[in-house]
Amino acid sequence: DAKTTQPPSMDCAEGRAANLPCNHSTISGNEYVYWYRQIHSQGPQYIIHGLKNNETNEMASLIITEDRKSSTLILPHATLRDTAVYYCIVRVGLRGGADGLTFGKGTHLIIQP
Amino acid sequence: SQTIHQWPATLVQPVGSPLSLECTVEGTSNPNLYWYRQAAGRGLQLLFYSVGIGQISSEVPQNLSASRPQDRQFILSSKKLLLSDSGFYLCAWSVPGTETQYFGPGTRLLVL
Repeated sequence: DAKTTQPPSMDCAEGRAANLPCNHSTISGNEYVYWYRQIHSQGPQYIIHGLKNNETNEMASLIITEDRKSSTLILPHATLRDTAVYYCIVRVGLRGGADGLTFGKGTHLIIQP
Repeated sequence: SQTIHQWPATLVQPVGSPLSLECTVEGTSNPNLYWYRQAAGRGLQLLFYSVGIGQISSEVPQNLSASRPQDRQFILSSKKLLLSDSGFYLCAWSVPGTETQYFGPGTRLLVL
């Protein structure tokens, strides 16, 4: 799986959009970008994933650049409950899931009241 | 909708004692199941995964074992705990053929 690079920490004001960047310059054509987050003392939570088109769900939007070398996770209206460590990972799709996820250090997003 | 349960939520055990952690999934059939450990300040380490009843694959050598006696039940065990077994144990599931994994709330284990 391609390596990802994320800033170690970010602050965002409550109610504003939180934009979390991720670089994955060595991503290959069959690799998807996944985002998970882990709120303190809880299990990781899946947020969203995409291949090359932008994606949106009830939690967030994922913007992937045209060259696919970077992406941005957008939380449109951040709340205090969005304070967590956010992990960007790149994985080959459709391997059947018979292997584990590898998280890097992620970005610690702190939502300020 | 699918849900995943783990218990207990926290556990304090003496060195040398046995361990049994349970994970159950509801609302899906024949899931892939996973056990991870997350040591303090460190990333996830995959311990075991299972693609079906009685089918267990181990990722790292250790004094832990896993069993899947039923389709949606995954158990992590040890006969004798070590201090190094302390950590946050996470169970996860996925739909076979897909990559998205869904995690349980975790069990925090402290071995003293």
